[in-house]
Amino acid sequence: DSGVTQTPKHLITATGQRVTLRCSPRSGDLSVYWYQQSLDQGLQFLIQYYNGEERAKGNILERFSAQQFPDLHSELNLSSLELGDSALYFCASSVVGGPLREQYFGPGTRLTVT
Amino acid sequence: AQTVTQSQPEMSVQEAETVTLSCTYDTSESDYYLFWYKQPPSRQMILVIRQEAYKQQNATENRFSVNFQKAAKSFSLKISDSQLGDAAMYFCAYANGGSNYKLTFGKGTLLTVNP
Repeated sequence: DSGVTQTPKHLITATGQRVTLRCSPRSGDLSVYWYQQSLDQGLQFLIQYYNGEERAKGNILERFSAQQFPDLHSELNLSSLELGDSALYFCASSVVGGPLREQYFGPGTRLTVT
Repeated sequence: AQTVTQSQPEMSVQEAETVTLSCTYDTSESDYYLFWYKQPPSRQMILVIRQEAYKQQNATENRFSVNFQKAAKSFSLKISDSQLGDAAMYFCAYANGGSNYKLTFGKGTLLTVNP
């Protein structure tokens, strides 16, 4: 158990819909990262938040947005869903600063768009 | 942009034998970090081993060790005394040493362990 929690584990929804994925980082970790794992694209970095502020953006679609709340949990919002958005979405957390750079991954949310 | 290449989509090894998974990367940075993550059928991403680019000594974690060749931009993972539980997808990953901590992953190598 990495200490990172993600809900829900599975999500099945229809095209055009909007969903919210939730992540709680490890205790003490200020930074949260979102990754998408799909058969086509592999594992891709989407976005990073640090203590409530966006720190870095990757290949995140405009239909996707994220935020990190004062209690440090984060939500990834996916809207106008398309079939191609079906993927495993991971949240990871880390301590920012120092030499470690280790990211601890949650169990993921499996999104299926039908 | 940094890239990570894993040239072996699949590998197999006999139980108790040794196997080496290859990874090359491309970067213009001098300060960076390299990782191997394991993803078993449960899909959980598990950190196996980490290497700081400024360290010349290769990292070791029990049966797992790396061969870090900085000039060649190569970062291979050696698994000794392979066990059935080592069967998984293995991902090589890169992170810059600056403030951007994102991980860039290779496409993975699926390791099968034969009894």
